[in-house]
Amino acid sequence: QKEVEQDPGPLSVPEGAIVSLNCTYSNSAFQYFMWYRQYSRKGPELLMYTYSSGNKEDGRFTAQVDKSSKYISLFIRDSQPSDSATYLCAMNTGKLIFGQGTTLQVKP
Amino acid sequence: GAVVSQHPSRVICKSGTSVKIECRSLDFQATTMFWYRQFPKQSLMLMATSNEGSKATYEQGVEKDKFLINHASLTLSTLTVTSAHPEDSSFYICSARAERDTEAFFGQGTRLTVV
Repeated sequence: QKEVEQDPGPLSVPEGAIVSLNCTYSNSAFQYFMWYRQYSRKGPELLMYTYSSGNKEDGRFTAQVDKSSKYISLFIRDSQPSDSATYLCAMNTGKLIFGQGTTLQVKP
Repeated sequence: GAVVSQHPSRVICKSGTSVKIECRSLDFQATTMFWYRQFPKQSLMLMATSNEGSKATYEQGVEKDKFLINHASLTLSTLTVTSAHPEDSSFYICSARAERDTEAFFGQGTRLTVV
């Protein structure tokens, strides 16, 4: 079993839709969680950084952590074509452990 | 967010030569830097973790003599691909972090093509 599982997609939604991206993990010791956005042929860009359980909101993005279920989510409201990218979840535990990444396409 | 600069962004080299990639944290001191490799449509594969002033810790299966990592200062780490072969062609990305439980920021990546 991988330490971090993420559905690779692709996920295709119409512009304006609410997008839900998810990851599950196996190690209950993980406490720091991150979401990155990666455009093709570019380095990942940090979107959200959260600690422990709960929600964190930044503009159209909301990160949610449920440690009891070992489940993290990233919600994107009012999705835009410019949100089309690969989204990677990551756990910070000395080193960064990444999910496989979910490819999102927002259609105009 | 903090800025991590990676150079060069693209490099083409002949088989058998060595290539050096630089990773700099521009506005913070990076006690730890990570080097990743990414194949098309795949996630990042951690190659090694380097702490300033210490030898890098390599992941299983990564040849330390082939991928030389130096982290001589708190703002610079280098990855040298020695005796490059076409199978080393890939997208290499560095990441830098100030402290253990803080965010990590990525460079722009380097696309290496070995011909």
